[in-house]
Amino acid sequence: GAVVSQHPSWVICKSGTSVKIECRSLDFQATTMFWYRQFPKQSLMLMATSNEGSKATYEQGVEKDKFLINHASLTLSTLTVTSAHPEDSSFYICSARAGGSSSYNSPLHFGNGTRLTVT
Amino acid sequence: DQQVKQNSPSLSVQEGRISILNCDYTNSMFDYFLWYKKYPAEGPTFLISISSIKDKNEDGRFTVFLNKSAKHLSLHIVPSQPGDSAVYFCAATSKLRNYGQNFVFGPGTRLSVLP
Repeated sequence: GAVVSQHPSWVICKSGTSVKIECRSLDFQATTMFWYRQFPKQSLMLMATSNEGSKATYEQGVEKDKFLINHASLTLSTLTVTSAHPEDSSFYICSARAGGSSSYNSPLHFGNGTRLTVT
Repeated sequence: DQQVKQNSPSLSVQEGRISILNCDYTNSMFDYFLWYKKYPAEGPTFLISISSIKDKNEDGRFTVFLNKSAKHLSLHIVPSQPGDSAVYFCAATSKLRNYGQNFVFGPGTRLSVLP
């Protein structure tokens, strides 16, 4: 089945530093990947849609300059949390769909998430 | 405005019994629904889906029922097993362009299956 690998699984960083999270589709190509954030005991909040070869589409309220997304290839999207602050501490998850851009009605496959702690 | 609702934040069921998780949605344009299961510190895993042209889809111990007129779907797990203990997310999407390829997720229901 389709596998999405996310790295690292957890990271601790100091306030003011930047952290990069990678999301890879291992056995399929993904023109679009999604980045989510999950707060404790809450649902997945879509942050942005990552499009291969073009700019990401950010959801309302998500700072583009803070959460930099790069989707340089069909199998890799990265999320960089810049100048991280303690309030950025959260669980970040990426997802992708196998089957091409028109396959809206096929499941999303998720990475295992990244637990970010900013001290 | 929450388009996908899961009104029960938690549910406890005895092992071997049936678990029923409910989900309501407000947008009548949704035409594809899914259930995801999530363990702590892991990403969600796809469980089962249903298209709006159906009212039932079954896969092993898991059955999803869709009632379009009531804008309601439910996930039945029978028999429930301790390994089913997780958070279950209901998700929906539409072929309409403004949804792109994303799903709208409910807040989740934490299922605890007691041995």
